[in-house]
Amino acid sequence: AQSVTQLGSHVSVSEGALVLLRCNYSSSVPPYLFWYVQYPNQGLQLLLKYTTGATLVKGINGFEAEFKKSETSFHLTKPSAHMSDAAEYFCAVSIFTGGGNKLTFGTGTQLKVEL
Amino acid sequence: DTGVSQNPRHKITKRGQNVTFRCDPISEHNRLYWYRQTLGQGPEFLTYFQNEAQLEKSRLLSDRFSAERPKGSFSTLEIQRTEQGDSAMYLCASSFGQGDTGELFFGEGSRLTVL
Repeated sequence: AQSVTQLGSHVSVSEGALVLLRCNYSSSVPPYLFWYVQYPNQGLQLLLKYTTGATLVKGINGFEAEFKKSETSFHLTKPSAHMSDAAEYFCAVSIFTGGGNKLTFGTGTQLKVEL
Repeated sequence: DTGVSQNPRHKITKRGQNVTFRCDPISEHNRLYWYRQTLGQGPEFLTYFQNEAQLEKSRLLSDRFSAERPKGSFSTLEIQRTEQGDSAMYLCASSFGQGDTGELFFGEGSRLTVL
């Protein structure tokens, strides 16, 4: 079975500072990895995903993440935080078997951006 | 562009009542998923459909819960004899079938409050 650990349930950064949200996964087979963002009272929106190929993936809104197999990590970064980035971020892992894509989510990291 | 649509967005009910949520997926998607999200947690998988067939159910889906997708289009999730512990956000998601790259498209959710 696969699992995800997100270190830090709350992260606070200043506007313009680097954003780093940590995600470690556990999977017995090569995983698919995802970052989703959730704004208050809304559903989840995909930021980026890693399936195969290039380990550095770029997503929407200037976010990127790097898949590091040796560290079983998929940390999310953004060089310069904006106030609009304040939201909850979820890392998710999936073993896609072709019969369906059941995502397993982490517990989330609430990002606060301060002036 | 019509994304995943969920109704109602909010439902307040008394303990013991039955409630039903509806999900309309993106029209060309043949896979549909239900997740539950409680406060401070990531979404947890409940069940998924490929077309009208329900292919997997989580142990979280007690016998008071039933999901259907009768014509392979919209889906309903019914909770009978609601309990306070059922209070949560119920999220629906859909994805492509053939050539699925793993991404789930989420609706905005249906928030249930059981008094």
